[in-house]
Amino acid sequence: GQSLEQPSEVTAVEGAIVQINCTYQTSGFYGLSWYQQHDGGAPTFLSYNALDGLEETGRFSSFLSRSDSYGYLLLQELQMKDSASYFCAVRKAAGNKLTFGGGTRVLVKP
Amino acid sequence: GAVVSQHPSRVICKSGTSVKIECRSLDFQATTMFWYRQFPKQSLMLMATSNEGSKATYEQGVEKDKFLINHASLTLSTLTVTSAHPEDSSFYICSAKRDRVGTQYFGPGTRLTVL
Repeated sequence: GQSLEQPSEVTAVEGAIVQINCTYQTSGFYGLSWYQQHDGGAPTFLSYNALDGLEETGRFSSFLSRSDSYGYLLLQELQMKDSASYFCAVRKAAGNKLTFGGGTRVLVKP
Repeated sequence: GAVVSQHPSRVICKSGTSVKIECRSLDFQATTMFWYRQFPKQSLMLMATSNEGSKATYEQGVEKDKFLINHASLTLSTLTVTSAHPEDSSFYICSAKRDRVGTQYFGPGTRLTVL
């Protein structure tokens, strides 16, 4: 089978930095994606890592270590609008299917 | 950017009726689309992979006769929930694969409530 583990909830203040870890167990791993979802909305693609290392996109960065089956999403200079759920998702080679983690609810306080 | 639409955004129906949900890729062609279901405060669960011009591939535990999927063109996939029951009430989200990398772009979702 396959599983992804990420913390259920994180609280931080505006301007802070939050790191959301994701560990996974799966066969046929191809890459790790991150999605943001606001309440009642659709998931929005944030980043994708297929190779080890850090990918930076503005205030958000994502890291992958294939040997450790581990990745993280780094949210910098937190803003109130960043309050949302963040999902890591493993992409498997076969069929390009995504398996999602349980999601991390990030609450940003003033 | 990659835009995916869904229609309707909300639907309320009586138990026993069927509901059709449309998923369209607006600015790109998608040979593969995916259908997910999400219960409140839970993660997205893949229901099926919709392939243009061929039968959908269903995940284990998903009833193919209850959740009918048709992918008639490169920009449209439909999910029909047949003989809906209250336990089918959920948020149904589609996604479309756009590029070789396989990045999935999600539609806005359809909230189904079965009375």
